[in-house]
Amino acid sequence: EAGVTQSPRYAVLQEGQAVSFWCDPISGHDTLYWYQQPRDQGPQLLVYFRDEAVIDNSQLPSDRFSAVRPKGTNSTLKIQSAKQGDTATYLCASSFRGARAEQFFGPGTRLTVL
Amino acid sequence: GDSVTQTEGPVTLSEGTSLTVNCSYETKQYPTLFWYVQYPGEGPQLLFKVPKANEKGSNRGFEATYNKEATSFHLQKASVQESDSAVYYCALASSGSWQLIFGSGTQLTVMP
Repeated sequence: EAGVTQSPRYAVLQEGQAVSFWCDPISGHDTLYWYQQPRDQGPQLLVYFRDEAVIDNSQLPSDRFSAVRPKGTNSTLKIQSAKQGDTATYLCASSFRGARAEQFFGPGTRLTVL
Repeated sequence: GDSVTQTEGPVTLSEGTSLTVNCSYETKQYPTLFWYVQYPGEGPQLLFKVPKANEKGSNRGFEATYNKEATSFHLQKASVQESDSAVYYCALASSGSWQLIFGSGTQLTVMP
């Protein structure tokens, strides 16, 4: 069974540029999560979906961040006008029957904003 | 709100010695507890879901226990190997939320 896949694996931007991250969850998983992991810290939840619906996006850092999952499968996380403080690894995870179910993570996208 | 506190910082051990990592949690809901391991350049991998209070779970030679009264849970391995070098995270999901809350992580380095 294929795991969670993410692309790109790395991104380097200048401040003010935009970037998009793409995630393909495990087939059949209805719940998808995006986490931000600053260097040497644990992952912190940004937003999560059940099917195509946003369950909670209250922890997205600002209106510069947005996420969609239009068909309830793949998802895109976008940062408009990136800042140096956005430097982190962005992780996607998926689970079946969301609440308190085991979450399986992708390899992440390591973002550096110069 | 819910929280998890992981007490150990970086740990360096020699091969064959034992490992214990401790976590405590706070939640007003019913908790589900997990251990994850993260290798460099990879996402966290589920090590296992901690079983019910006072039961032991195990995977890859690691064991986990959970003390409901003390709101704490522990990861142990009797004899670590160099390949166990990684960051270990405890995590909490409470019944009122779909969110995983992670501890700060314990960087384990095992010397040959």
